[in-house]
Amino acid sequence: GPKVLQIPSHQIIDMGQMVTLNCDPVSNHLYFYWYKQILGQQMEFLVNFYNGKVMEKSKLFKDQFSVERPDGSYFTLKIQPTALEDSAVYFCASSLGLGGRYQDTQYFGPGTRLLVL
Amino acid sequence: AQSVTQPDARVTVSEGASLQLRCKYSYSATPYLFWYVQYPRQGLQLLLKYYSGDPVVQGVNGFEAEFSKSNSSFHLRKASVHWSDSAVYFCAVSMPNTDKVVFGTGTRLQVSP
Repeated sequence: GPKVLQIPSHQIIDMGQMVTLNCDPVSNHLYFYWYKQILGQQMEFLVNFYNGKVMEKSKLFKDQFSVERPDGSYFTLKIQPTALEDSAVYFCASSLGLGGRYQDTQYFGPGTRLLVL
Repeated sequence: AQSVTQPDARVTVSEGASLQLRCKYSYSATPYLFWYVQYPRQGLQLLLKYYSGDPVVQGVNGFEAEFSKSNSSFHLRKASVHWSDSAVYFCAVSMPNTDKVVFGTGTRLQVSP
């Protein structure tokens, strides 16, 4: 089936530095998402993105976070500067259509494990 | 507050046995309901989803789930598990007119030989 790729699979970074997490979504999908999962806790919605704009974001999506997808390339999550509490697994997802009654299936990547020291 | 609860963090069953993984939700209206599975080092894969209609929905690999409005539940079932079903299973919900999906904490299923 459709696959979402995430690069890198693991990232270790010093607190205060910048990190960019890359997502290669399903090729014809239009909606993109990031989720955060702290070890042992549930996966939580961060943000969704369509047509170059953030559509919804949660309170976890701090000012230090930003997303973009320049020219149809990777969908990226940038954290600048990083903090210790940013250590988590970040999952990217994409879908063809929006939610609502005909909520389209979100396809997830394998996650990027981020460790902030 | 809206929430999804998977009360069992870990479940161990013998190969060939039946399985039920529990999921309860707390929403003011009936949400859309999903079960995802995550195999090691892979992304989440959709097993099945419920929007409306027949409360029993069939999914891939012999999985099914039953929606119960009275119990606010959406339990996942399989008649006979295989060792390859060992994975983490996530229940998830979303409300109409939103693209936000709320996940449970997951249930790790271990199928023993």
